[in-house]
Amino acid sequence: AQSVTQPDIHITVSEGASLELRCNYSYGATPYLFWYVQSPGQGLQLLLKYFSGDTLVQGIKGFEAEFKRSQSSFNLRKPSVHWSDAAEYFCAVGGLTGGGNKLTFGTGTQLKVEL
Amino acid sequence: DTEVTQTPKHLVMGMTNKKSLKCEQHMGHRAMYWYKQKAKKPPELMFVYSYEKLSINESVPSRFSPECPNSSLLNLHLHALQPEDSALYLCASTLTGGEANEKLFFGSGTQLSVL
Repeated sequence: AQSVTQPDIHITVSEGASLELRCNYSYGATPYLFWYVQSPGQGLQLLLKYFSGDTLVQGIKGFEAEFKRSQSSFNLRKPSVHWSDAAEYFCAVGGLTGGGNKLTFGTGTQLKVEL
Repeated sequence: DTEVTQTPKHLVMGMTNKKSLKCEQHMGHRAMYWYKQKAKKPPELMFVYSYEKLSINESVPSRFSPECPNSSLLNLHLHALQPEDSALYLCASTLTGGEANEKLFFGSGTQLSVL
């Protein structure tokens, strides 16, 4: 069964500092991996996704993620964090079941940005 | 139009009430999803409709009844809910539901409180 682990529940960074959010996955085949961001009381927005090709993926809002098969990881990075990046970040792994597309989310990492 | 619209944004209901949540998209997507999200937790899949047919039911109690009248509209009928059903209910859509790398477009959710 597919699963995702986000080891960090909370992370605090200063504005302008670099950011790395960790994600480890478990999946039998080539995984379809996603990072979503959620602001309080809102839906989720896709930041980026990986399913094949270049292992360094560029996303929106200056985010990038690197797929490392040997480490079963898909960590999210940003060189310089802005105060507006404060939100909940979810890593997810996608797969097709008998009924259709099923996305499994990690437990999330709450990002706080200090000014 | 790249929006998924959910109404109402907030709903308070008693345990004997019957209410419905509504979700609409006009992106031509043929797969629509209901997720339930408790506070500080990741979204959990409830139902998937693909081409207006229920394709995934994640063993959801019968007090939740989904309906997909057409490819643009998804409803969730609620009856005899319990206080533990209080959560943010998120609707999402994808192009077909048949590809694991499809991007989920989320609505901003209905915050439900059951008294």
